[in-house]
Amino acid sequence: ETGVTQTPRHLVMGMTNKKSLKCEQHLGHNAMYWYKQSAKKPLELMFVYSLEERVENNSVPSRFSPECPNSSHLFLHLHTLQPEDSALYLCASSQAGIYGYTFGSGTRLTVV
Amino acid sequence: GENVEQHPSTLSVQEGDSAVIKCTYSDSASNYFPWYKQELGKRPQLIIDIRSNVGEKKDQRIAVTLNKTAKHFSLHITETQPEDSAVYFCAASIGNTGGFKTIFGAGTRLFVKA
Repeated sequence: ETGVTQTPRHLVMGMTNKKSLKCEQHLGHNAMYWYKQSAKKPLELMFVYSLEERVENNSVPSRFSPECPNSSHLFLHLHTLQPEDSALYLCASSQAGIYGYTFGSGTRLTVV
Repeated sequence: GENVEQHPSTLSVQEGDSAVIKCTYSDSASNYFPWYKQELGKRPQLIIDIRSNVGEKKDQRIAVTLNKTAKHFSLHITETQPEDSAVYFCAASIGNTGGFKTIFGAGTRLFVKA
């Protein structure tokens, strides 16, 4: 493990379900991110928490709701998703002033 | 909006040959340019990066060049090996913005044939 752990690795959910993705970093970083990775598209930034303050990407539908209870944990709460939300959801962290990201292994989400 | 164009989308080379991937960015305020490698089924990993005050950086078989005037940067891999096969992503970022101003390219799938 690189220090950023995501659970679960795989998730299949119906459109009416509610589920949560979890991310935990053990690197002492002070910024955490959610990215969506779809086939043949650039990585899409969804949310950023920097020093526990959220910077929101306005194009993210409200059916995705992030939560950052502390600098080491990040959640993505999902509800009433659509099939087009199926993708790999990547969590990443970084340290301000050291700009490179450390990514987690991702959660492969399938909405049926 | 701001974007990063990456070319080619697919690149196939013979083992031992060189591979070059090119990116252009639109936000002139970008000052940090990382490259990530993502092997099949694995997470993206930072392999090299360059800051705007440097024109070139090398780490063993990989090198990155930056032309701020033209707003383009490139990844060079020499003496390619089968284990270099992966998807490579470039990104352009404005440092110290909490990462919100990081824009990724669409990726280049590199195949190295043995």
